[in-house]
Amino acid sequence: AQSVTQLGSHVSVSEGALVLLRCNYSSSVPPYLFWYVQYPNQGLQLLLKYTSAATLVKGINGFEAEFKKSETSFHLTKPSAHMSDAAEYFCAVSGAGGTSYGKLTFGQGTILTVHP
Amino acid sequence: NAGVTQTPKFQVLKTGQSMTLQCAQDMNHEYMSWYRQDPGMGLRLIHYSVGAGITDQGEVPNGYNVSRSTTEDFPLRLLSAAPSQTSVYFCASSVSQLQEQYFGPGTRLTVT
Repeated sequence: AQSVTQLGSHVSVSEGALVLLRCNYSSSVPPYLFWYVQYPNQGLQLLLKYTSAATLVKGINGFEAEFKKSETSFHLTKPSAHMSDAAEYFCAVSGAGGTSYGKLTFGQGTILTVHP
Repeated sequence: NAGVTQTPKFQVLKTGQSMTLQCAQDMNHEYMSWYRQDPGMGLRLIHYSVGAGITDQGEVPNGYNVSRSTTEDFPLRLLSAAPSQTSVYFCASSVSQLQEQYFGPGTRLTVT
């Protein structure tokens, strides 16, 4: 079985401040990990993904995430928040083998608010 | 390319009614899937397909049917709608199961 926990359903930052969204996962097989972003009334869009290559993954819009196997974490960061980053962010895991192969399991989501 | 399209955008059903949510993609993707999104629960996999003629159940399949007669289309059928099926439904597609999934704009369904 696999699961994802996102710590904090709401995160609020000031424009220009560091963004840190936390994600911890569990998986019985090597995982593929994803961060998706959802703007209001839209579908999900991929920010970045980890597929067992480099542990530090760079994505779109200045976001990056670091895979830490010892901590089973895949936290999302951005050095300087922009107003346009306000959205809901989802961490997801997919097993690279076994019965969870290719099946995405999502965390509950974190709503990011950016204040001027 | 239109990407992944879903119809309708909004739908209101009465308990016991049936309906089909349509999903189509024009990217020649083999893998397609249906999710439901509920507040505080993220997205949960309902059914998925790894190619035409092949479907399988996800995490929450009860009350839903799917079929995949073509690569392009993956409709989701609600057999007898229940208020617990009030949700936002997303269809997604990808080249293969482990690759990036492209999501449609969603269908907001209310069952009264």
